Amino acid sequence: GAGVSQSPSNKVTEKGKDVELRCDPISGHTALYWYRQRLGQGLEFLIYFQGNSAPDKSGLPSDRFSAERTGESVSTLTIQRTQQEDSAVYLCASSLAGVGVGDTQYFGPGTRLTVL
Amino acid sequence: GQQVMQIPQYQHVQEGEDFTTYCNSSTTLSNIQWYKQRPGGHPVFLIQLVKSGEVKKQKRLTFQFGEAKKNSSLHITATQTTDVGTYFCAGLDNFNKFYFGSGTKLNVKP
Repeated sequence: GAGVSQSPSNKVTEKGKDVELRCDPISGHTALYWYRQRLGQGLEFLIYFQGNSAPDKSGLPSDRFSAERTGESVSTLTIQRTQQEDSAVYLCASSLAGVGVGDTQYFGPGTRLTVL
Repeated sequence: GQQVMQIPQYQHVQEGEDFTTYCNSSTTLSNIQWYKQRPGGHPVFLIQLVKSGEVKKQKRLTFQFGEAKKNSSLHITATQTTDVGTYFCAGLDNFNKFYFGSGTKLNVKP
């Protein structure tokens, strides 16, 4: 694929429901990042995957948030028991070599999550 | 903890005027990257600075990395309406963690 893709592009859910957001990184990119961007705000780091290393989960705001990555491909961000404050755009980015070399991050279009 | 502060939060300029956004870190950075996010779009990489005191230019954009590697700036000369968007810096600290600034939203009036 030409770039990072994310699905769905928009998700509207009811408070208390679980949601899954998907990210397909650029093929061959070993690093994958998830960010959250609230309306008009900056990027908030959530989690980082690098190859087979243990993910850096230090940005996850609560235990309702979790993410998985299958090898060096697809990643899924899961939010359990969604709250209204979870409403935001969730951005995924991938990079070729990873954070250790400060590699360029290529961002997907994001998933806009609205919790009613 | 580590923070990357970015100012100003908003900037409104007349087309043709210059624009500068500043990024300041509480600790020394390994490198700093700049991204641009158009309204409704996603961040797109602009440039990376690695060396102390480094200056890079891209047409009307000039990027600087401070001597102490704790601050950076992006300067746009003679803004155009196509420059509209939010500019983010992202600093990589010595523990291999990226910290994004809160962004500067630029509006250019034609």
